[in-house]
Amino acid sequence: DIQMTQSPSSLSASVGDRVTITCRASQSISSYLNWYQQKPGKAPKLLIYAASSLQSGVPSRFSGSGSGTDFTLTISSLQPEDFATYYCQQSYSTAGFGQGTKLEIK
Amino acid sequence: QVQLQESGPGLVKPSGTLSLTCAVSGGSISSSNWWSWIRQPPGKGLEWIGEIYHSGSTNYNPSLKSRVTISVDKSKNQFSLKLSSVTAADTAVYYCARRSLITMVLNWFDPWGQGTLVTVSS
Repeated sequence: DIQMTQSPSSLSASVGDRVTITCRASQSISSYLNWYQQKPGKAPKLLIYAASSLQSGVPSRFSGSGSGTDFTLTISSLQPEDFATYYCQQSYSTAGFGQGTKLEIK
Repeated sequence: QVQLQESGPGLVKPSGTLSLTCAVSGGSISSSNWWSWIRQPPGKGLEWIGEIYHSGSTNYNPSLKSRVTISVDKSKNQFSLKLSSVTAADTAVYYCARRSLITMVLNWFDPWGQGTLVTVSS
């Protein structure tokens, strides 16, 4: 099984901040990495697929990068609606998710 | 656009069988996608349970495989989950989702159902 590890587990930031969340795979997964945003009481929402492709309708302040084992999700300028939990997910083999990163208001 | 809606009992007794159905609307379950179940225990992360293709082919999480059955009903455009011998550890929000398939490795979960909380308790 491929293990996905996100860091940090939680993060406090302010509106307007630039934020980066990291996801590391236990083995190379090429670019087969997706990012989701989940707000309390809601289903996860796809943000980024294939490491760096922005899902339709997702604001351009979200971006993804990386390949192999190391990936990042960046929010260029935090907006109030961005405070949520973020998950990475690899599609290289049997679907596996990271443990999540909770982004909180400072 | 495709929408998914979970339904089923919200309370299941220990050692019983959890049964949920996901109704697909706005698209055909016979499209070239896999249809998945994913769960999230309260306050915890996401766990993929398994999936089915319209042909009936299935893939299951090895950690749950012995207890999971996923089936498809093309006539009703829906798919179902059965999880047997449940314990309190199976208490979770259960989501159905489409695994949008470009290739067997280039794919993602979208859209998702709203989720349904299933509590295992006597």
